[in-house]
Amino acid sequence: DVKVTQSSRYLVKRTGEKVFLECVQDMDHENMFWYRQDPGLGLRLIYFSYDVKMKEKGDIPEGYSVSREKKERFSLILESASTNQTSMYLCASSGTGGQKRGNEKLFFGSGTQLSVL
Amino acid sequence: DQQVKQNSPSLSVQEGRISILNCDYTNSMFDYFLWYKKYPAEGPTFLISISSIKDKNEDGRFTVFLNKSAKHLSLHIVPSQPGDSAVYFCAADNYGQNFVFGPGTRLSVLP
Repeated sequence: DVKVTQSSRYLVKRTGEKVFLECVQDMDHENMFWYRQDPGLGLRLIYFSYDVKMKEKGDIPEGYSVSREKKERFSLILESASTNQTSMYLCASSGTGGQKRGNEKLFFGSGTQLSVL
Repeated sequence: DQQVKQNSPSLSVQEGRISILNCDYTNSMFDYFLWYKKYPAEGPTFLISISSIKDKNEDGRFTVFLNKSAKHLSLHIVPSQPGDSAVYFCAADNYGQNFVFGPGTRLSVLP
């Protein structure tokens, strides 16, 4: 069965801390995504990646960076956490290789609820 | 500006009746749409999709209708069950690059 695993379900950090959110998928998917979910705003794309060592900015990349050293792993980094980064973070993956994709769907992890105090 | 809109933040329906969730989009180049369902503290799960070459796709109790000229799609759930209570997100495939999501509609199915 398809699986996207996020390392933490709940995380509490202090303002200014560096935060790492880890995501691993076991489906050999090429594409991986980081979204954040906030009430009334839906899911907003932070960063995505088509391949190892590749990354593309989404709609709200400010204050975040990502790392994709291995195909199965996509990490989201908050360089200096701020209170407005308190949110539910969702990792997702999809299958077809490269930038050209057919009709496919995203598989999501269970999410990480991050609170920045 | 949001490219995918779900104008009803919430919807309440009696068990056994039909639930209709609506979604509008602004970009006429979008050609593939998906619906996701999300329970609290869980990740969204895929429900149903539709390609722009179709105007209807059905899967059990779930049917999605697409009206390309109106840039509108809707998800019908018949009959609605209490376990359907969740937040429903409409999404569009953004030129094969990524996916654009709407803000979601919270459905409550009352017993």
